[in-house]
Amino acid sequence: AQTVTQSQPEMSVQEAETVTLSCTYDTSESDYYLFWYKQPPSRQMILVIRQEAYKQQNATENRFSVNFQKAAKSFSLKISDSQLGDAAMYFCAYRSAYGGATNKLIFGTGTLLAVQP
Amino acid sequence: NAGVTQTPKFQVLKTGQSMTLQCAQDMNHEYMSWYRQDPGMGLRLIHYSVGAGITDQGEVPNGYNVSRSTTEDFPLRLLSAAPSQTSVYFCASSYSSGTGGAIYGYTFGSGTRLTVV
Repeated sequence: AQTVTQSQPEMSVQEAETVTLSCTYDTSESDYYLFWYKQPPSRQMILVIRQEAYKQQNATENRFSVNFQKAAKSFSLKISDSQLGDAAMYFCAYRSAYGGATNKLIFGTGTLLAVQP
Repeated sequence: NAGVTQTPKFQVLKTGQSMTLQCAQDMNHEYMSWYRQDPGMGLRLIHYSVGAGITDQGEVPNGYNVSRSTTEDFPLRLLSAAPSQTSVYFCASSYSSGTGGAIYGYTFGSGTRLTVV
């Protein structure tokens, strides 16, 4: 079974600085998707960025980028130029690329990010 | 374009009461699922469905029932509420993996905060 581990329960960053959130996963599959979700105090789950395992190029969305190391099974999220609105819980998640029952999204336990003004 | 609609947003139940959490999506997604979110445990899968008429258990199914009579709706039933079911519940939907389409992650509802006293 696949697992996702986020080893940093809480992180803090100064406004305008850069922070990296860690995520590791375990799987025997070769084709899968990885995601970072943001959950602000509003509780809404917001997709931040996605990575397809068969693509070696790291995904980037504006100030958000990932460092995807497939061999090491590592998927970290880098937030550049941190803003107060980035304060939230961040979840790393895994999804198989195969159909049927493997569609489920497997979450890590989350990292609570605080942004200091 | 409503996305995933969850009702109610808040609910307080007495131990032993039953209720149904409603979930509807208008994106023609085959895959729908229910998660519960508890502090320090991330989101855990309760039940999921890969299409109308097909449901299966996730990681924490005990005490919950689901059905999928239409593509749009996926209600979650608590048969006899217990304090251990106090949690935040999320419904999510997605296109299925393996259909040849791009996977953009799940679309989540806004969540239901359930308290069982």
